[in-house]
Amino acid sequence: SSELTQPPSVSVSPGQTARITCSGDALPKKTAFWYQQKSGQAPLLVIAEDNKRPSGIPERISASSSGTVATLTISGAQVEDEAAYYCFSADSSDFPLFGGGTKLTVL
Amino acid sequence: EVQLAESGGGLVQPGGSLKLSCSASGFAFKNYGIHWVRQAPGKGLEYVSGISNYWRYYAQSVKSRFSISRDNYENMSHLDMRSLRVEDTALYYCVKDSHDPATIAALGPFDSWGRGTLVIVSP
Repeated sequence: SSELTQPPSVSVSPGQTARITCSGDALPKKTAFWYQQKSGQAPLLVIAEDNKRPSGIPERISASSSGTVATLTISGAQVEDEAAYYCFSADSSDFPLFGGGTKLTVL
Repeated sequence: EVQLAESGGGLVQPGGSLKLSCSASGFAFKNYGIHWVRQAPGKGLEYVSGISNYWRYYAQSVKSRFSISRDNYENMSHLDMRSLRVEDTALYYCVKDSHDPATIAALGPFDSWGRGTLVIVSP
Protein backbone atom coordinates (compact mmCIF):
# COMPACT_ATOMS: atom_id res chain seq x y z
CA SER A 1 0.00 0.00 0.00
CA SER A 2 1.25 3.52 -0.74
CA GLU A 3 -0.93 5.34 1.75
CA LEU A 4 -0.72 6.69 5.25
CA THR A 5 -4.17 6.65 6.78
CA GLN A 6 -5.24 9.09 9.49
CA PRO A 7 -8.68 9.72 10.97
CA PRO A 8 -10.13 12.94 9.51
CA SER A 9 -10.97 14.35 12.91
CA VAL A 10 -10.44 13.88 16.64
CA SER A 11 -12.24 15.84 19.32
CA VAL A 12 -11.42 16.11 23.04
CA SER A 13 -12.23 18.38 25.95
CA PRO A 14 -9.47 20.53 27.45
CA GLY A 15 -7.28 18.45 29.77
CA GLN A 16 -8.12 15.16 28.11
CA THR A 17 -5.68 13.02 26.14
CA ALA A 18 -5.88 13.14 22.37
CA ARG A 19 -4.51 10.32 20.29
CA ILE A 20 -4.04 10.57 16.54
CA THR A 21 -3.12 7.46 14.60
CA CYS A 22 -1.30 6.99 11.32
CA SER A 23 -1.49 3.60 9.63
CA GLY A 24 0.81 2.40 6.89
CA ASP A 25 2.11 -0.96 5.74
CA ALA A 26 5.72 0.26 5.68
CA LEU A 27 5.70 1.82 9.15
CA PRO A 28 7.33 -1.20 10.84
CA LYS A 29 10.46 -0.33 8.88
CA LYS A 30 10.05 3.41 8.34
CA THR A 31 10.29 6.39 10.67
CA ALA A 32 7.21 8.60 11.03
CA PHE A 33 7.51 12.32 11.66
CA TRP A 34 4.65 14.53 12.79
CA TYR A 35 3.72 18.08 11.80
CA GLN A 36 1.25 20.50 13.31
CA GLN A 37 -0.49 23.07 11.12
CA LYS A 38 -2.58 25.78 12.71
CA SER A 39 -5.06 27.69 10.61
CA GLY A 40 -3.38 30.04 8.14
CA GLN A 41 0.14 28.97 9.13
CA ALA A 42 2.88 26.83 7.66
CA PRO A 43 3.34 23.38 9.17
CA LEU A 44 5.60 22.96 12.20
CA LEU A 45 7.65 19.88 13.05
CA VAL A 46 6.51 18.52 16.43
CA ILE A 47 8.03 15.03 16.39
CA ALA A 48 11.43 14.25 14.80
CA GLU A 49 13.63 11.14 14.76
CA ASP A 50 13.30 8.60 17.54
CA ASN A 51 10.06 10.26 18.60
CA LYS A 52 11.94 13.28 19.92
CA ARG A 53 10.48 16.76 20.26
CA PRO A 54 12.27 19.71 18.66
CA SER A 55 13.15 22.60 20.91
CA GLY A 56 10.09 24.54 22.01
CA ILE A 57 7.56 21.73 21.56
CA PRO A 58 5.76 21.08 24.86
CA GLU A 59 6.32 17.83 26.73
CA ARG A 60 2.63 16.99 26.54
CA ILE A 61 3.19 16.08 22.86
CA SER A 62 4.70 12.63 22.35
CA ALA A 63 4.72 9.83 19.81
CA SER A 64 5.05 6.09 19.67
CA SER A 65 4.91 3.37 17.08
CA SER A 66 3.84 -0.25 17.07
CA GLY A 67 3.72 -2.39 13.98
CA THR A 68 1.89 -0.61 11.19
CA VAL A 69 0.54 2.18 13.40
CA ALA A 70 2.25 5.36 14.57
CA THR A 71 0.48 7.37 17.25
CA LEU A 72 0.73 11.02 18.24
CA THR A 73 -0.41 11.62 21.81
CA ILE A 74 -1.25 14.97 23.34
CA SER A 75 -1.63 14.56 27.08
CA GLY A 76 -3.75 17.18 28.75
CA ALA A 77 -4.70 18.81 25.47
CA GLN A 78 -5.11 22.56 25.53
CA VAL A 79 -7.07 24.93 23.32
CA GLU A 80 -3.83 26.06 21.67
CA ASP A 81 -3.23 22.48 20.47
CA GLU A 82 -6.19 22.78 18.12
CA ALA A 83 -4.74 22.27 14.65
CA ALA A 84 -4.38 19.81 11.80
CA TYR A 85 -1.77 17.13 12.40
CA TYR A 86 0.02 15.26 9.62
CA CYS A 87 2.21 12.19 9.79
CA PHE A 88 5.01 11.87 7.23
CA SER A 89 6.90 8.76 6.27
CA ALA A 90 7.50 6.64 3.19
CA ASP A 91 5.89 3.72 1.47
CA SER A 92 7.58 0.37 0.87
CA SER A 93 9.30 1.79 -2.21
CA ASP A 94 10.73 4.65 -0.14
CA PHE A 95 8.46 7.17 -1.85
CA PRO A 96 7.86 9.98 0.64
CA LEU A 97 4.29 10.75 1.54
CA PHE A 98 2.08 12.54 4.03
CA GLY A 99 -0.93 11.15 5.77
CA GLY A 100 -4.24 12.77 4.93
CA GLY A 101 -4.22 14.86 8.09
CA THR A 102 -6.31 14.90 11.26
CA LYS A 103 -8.16 17.95 12.49
CA LEU A 104 -7.90 18.10 16.29
CA THR A 105 -10.66 20.02 18.03
CA VAL A 106 -10.26 20.92 21.70
CA LEU A 107 -13.45 22.25 23.24
CA GLU B 1 17.51 32.44 12.11
CA VAL B 2 16.57 30.10 9.28
CA GLN B 3 14.48 31.82 6.64
CA LEU B 4 12.95 30.42 3.47
CA ALA B 5 11.19 32.81 1.10
CA GLU B 6 9.23 31.49 -1.86
CA SER B 7 8.36 33.55 -4.90
CA GLY B 8 7.11 33.12 -8.44
CA GLY B 9 3.55 31.99 -7.87
CA GLY B 10 0.63 33.42 -9.76
CA LEU B 11 -2.28 32.76 -12.08
CA VAL B 12 -1.60 30.67 -15.17
CA GLN B 13 -3.75 28.93 -17.74
CA PRO B 14 -3.79 25.14 -18.09
CA GLY B 15 -0.81 24.03 -20.13
CA GLY B 16 1.23 27.02 -19.04
CA SER B 17 4.48 27.27 -17.10
CA LEU B 18 5.76 28.89 -13.94
CA LYS B 19 9.09 28.94 -12.16
CA LEU B 20 9.06 29.03 -8.39
CA SER B 21 12.07 30.18 -6.43
CA CYS B 22 13.13 29.68 -2.83
CA SER B 23 15.66 32.04 -1.31
CA ALA B 24 17.31 30.65 1.82
CA SER B 25 19.27 32.30 4.60
CA GLY B 26 20.43 31.67 8.15
CA PHE B 27 22.04 28.28 7.57
CA ALA B 28 24.71 26.55 5.46
CA PHE B 29 22.46 25.94 2.48
CA LYS B 30 24.81 23.54 0.67
CA ASN B 31 24.69 21.10 3.58
CA TYR B 32 20.94 20.45 3.56
CA GLY B 33 18.32 18.86 1.42
CA ILE B 34 15.58 21.13 0.08
CA HIS B 35 12.05 20.05 -0.73
CA TRP B 36 8.82 21.41 -2.15
CA VAL B 37 5.51 20.51 -0.54
CA ARG B 38 2.16 21.76 -1.77
CA GLN B 39 -1.28 22.17 -0.27
CA ALA B 40 -4.39 22.56 -2.41
CA PRO B 41 -7.03 24.91 -0.98
CA GLY B 42 -8.70 23.24 1.99
CA LYS B 43 -6.74 20.01 1.47
CA GLY B 44 -3.82 18.20 3.03
CA LEU B 45 -0.09 18.29 2.40
CA GLU B 46 1.43 16.66 -0.65
CA TYR B 47 5.16 16.02 -1.13
CA VAL B 48 6.10 17.25 -4.60
CA SER B 49 9.86 17.19 -5.11
CA GLY B 50 13.16 17.19 -3.30
CA ILE B 51 16.85 17.71 -4.00
CA SER B 52 19.94 16.87 -2.03
CA ASN B 53 23.54 16.90 -3.18
CA TYR B 54 23.02 13.25 -4.20
CA TRP B 55 19.59 12.89 -5.80
CA ARG B 56 16.46 14.55 -7.10
CA TYR B 57 13.01 13.15 -6.58
CA TYR B 58 9.60 13.86 -8.05
CA ALA B 59 6.17 12.67 -7.01
CA GLN B 60 4.46 10.62 -9.68
CA SER B 61 1.85 13.35 -10.14
CA VAL B 62 4.48 15.85 -11.36
CA LYS B 63 7.16 13.62 -12.85
CA SER B 64 8.20 14.73 -16.38
CA ARG B 65 6.45 18.10 -15.91
CA PHE B 66 8.36 19.64 -12.98
CA SER B 67 12.11 20.12 -12.62
CA ILE B 68 13.89 20.96 -9.38
CA SER B 69 17.29 22.58 -9.09
CA ARG B 70 19.50 24.22 -6.49
CA ASP B 71 22.25 26.82 -6.57
CA ASN B 72 24.58 26.38 -3.61
CA TYR B 73 26.29 29.69 -4.36
CA GLU B 74 23.14 31.78 -4.47
CA ASN B 75 21.46 29.74 -1.70
CA MET B 76 18.42 29.16 -3.84
CA SER B 77 16.23 26.37 -5.10
CA HIS B 78 13.95 26.53 -8.11
CA LEU B 79 10.97 24.50 -9.19
CA ASP B 80 10.27 24.70 -12.93
CA MET B 81 6.68 23.74 -13.60
CA ARG B 82 5.44 23.02 -17.12
CA SER B 83 2.23 21.68 -18.62
CA LEU B 84 0.38 22.90 -15.58
CA ARG B 85 -3.01 21.41 -14.76
CA VAL B 86 -5.95 22.70 -12.76
CA GLU B 87 -5.09 20.11 -10.11
CA ASP B 88 -1.67 21.74 -9.61
CA THR B 89 -3.45 24.68 -7.97
CA ALA B 90 -1.99 24.93 -4.48
CA LEU B 91 0.15 26.81 -2.00
CA TYR B 92 3.72 25.67 -2.62
CA TYR B 93 6.05 25.53 0.37
CA CYS B 94 9.84 25.46 0.25
CA VAL B 95 11.07 23.20 3.03
CA LYS B 96 14.48 22.59 4.62
CA ASP B 97 15.59 19.10 5.55
CA SER B 98 17.35 18.56 8.88
CA HIS B 99 20.37 17.12 7.00
CA ASP B 100 21.60 16.31 3.48
CA PRO B 101 20.12 12.87 2.92
CA ALA B 102 22.30 10.51 0.91
CA THR B 103 19.28 8.56 -0.26
CA ILE B 104 15.58 9.24 -0.70
CA ALA B 105 14.95 6.77 2.11
CA ALA B 106 16.82 9.00 4.56
CA LEU B 107 15.03 12.27 3.98
CA GLY B 108 13.47 14.27 6.75
CA PRO B 109 12.42 15.51 9.09
CA PHE B 110 11.67 18.93 7.67
CA ASP B 111 12.67 21.42 10.32
CA SER B 112 11.89 24.73 8.59
CA TRP B 113 9.16 25.83 6.20
CA GLY B 114 8.63 28.97 4.16
CA ARG B 115 5.32 30.79 4.10
CA GLY B 116 4.47 29.48 0.64
CA THR B 117 3.67 30.91 -2.77
CA LEU B 118 0.25 30.43 -4.33
CA VAL B 119 -0.12 28.88 -7.77
CA ILE B 120 -3.52 29.06 -9.43
CA VAL B 121 -4.09 27.17 -12.66
CA SER B 122 -7.35 28.26 -14.22
CA PRO B 123 -8.75 28.87 -17.72
